[in-house]
Amino acid sequence: GIQVEQSPPDLILQEGANSTLRCNFSDSVNNLQWFHQNPWGQLINLFYIPSGTKQNGRLSATTVATERYSLLYISSSQTTDSGVYFCAAEEYGNKLVFGAGTILRVKS
Amino acid sequence: GAGVSQTPSNKVTEKGKYVELRCDPISGHTALYWYRQSLGQGPEFLIYFQGTGAADDSGLPNDRFFAVRPEGSVSTLKIQRTERGDSAMYLCASSLTSGSPEQYFGPGTRLTVT
Repeated sequence: GIQVEQSPPDLILQEGANSTLRCNFSDSVNNLQWFHQNPWGQLINLFYIPSGTKQNGRLSATTVATERYSLLYISSSQTTDSGVYFCAAEEYGNKLVFGAGTILRVKS
Repeated sequence: GAGVSQTPSNKVTEKGKYVELRCDPISGHTALYWYRQSLGQGPEFLIYFQGTGAADDSGLPNDRFFAVRPEGSVSTLKIQRTERGDSAMYLCASSLTSGSPEQYFGPGTRLTVT
């Protein structure tokens, strides 16, 4: 089945800095989603982006399906951006395969 | 509208006991998924329902785990003879149909087996 790798595993930023999180996947996908997991464990949908580019406020994402990677950009980071960011891909059959996540810490 | 809801939010049980975890999907969503997340890892797929039937149960770890969705809406994940290794966050998600794959997750049930 599909494999999903995220980098970096950990990231520490000063408030106001920009960052890029990367997600590589091993095969073509029907679905690619980015999530932010809050401290209580809930997965918050950030982007549904099997291809192309989307923006939502300070966040944007790009998926280059032909090269099997996706990028999540966070600009002007805030302490509330801290948490774990997951990329998840669906190859077939609707089940999402998650990466191991990137732990982001934004310091004030 | 309301999102995916899960009950209970926390469950502590003794080794060997039986537990049921409930998921109420977004109204109108026909597809429902269960995932399990161990500490420090990403969620892992357990089972997927399209309507009332389990379309893919390949992620269930063994026959102690079972899930039902009798009326095509609410689902219950059942774990028999719980073991300490079953301790994890159990997450439920739903999507509109199998053709609209974006999945929306509930807040999860944190299961602790003592």
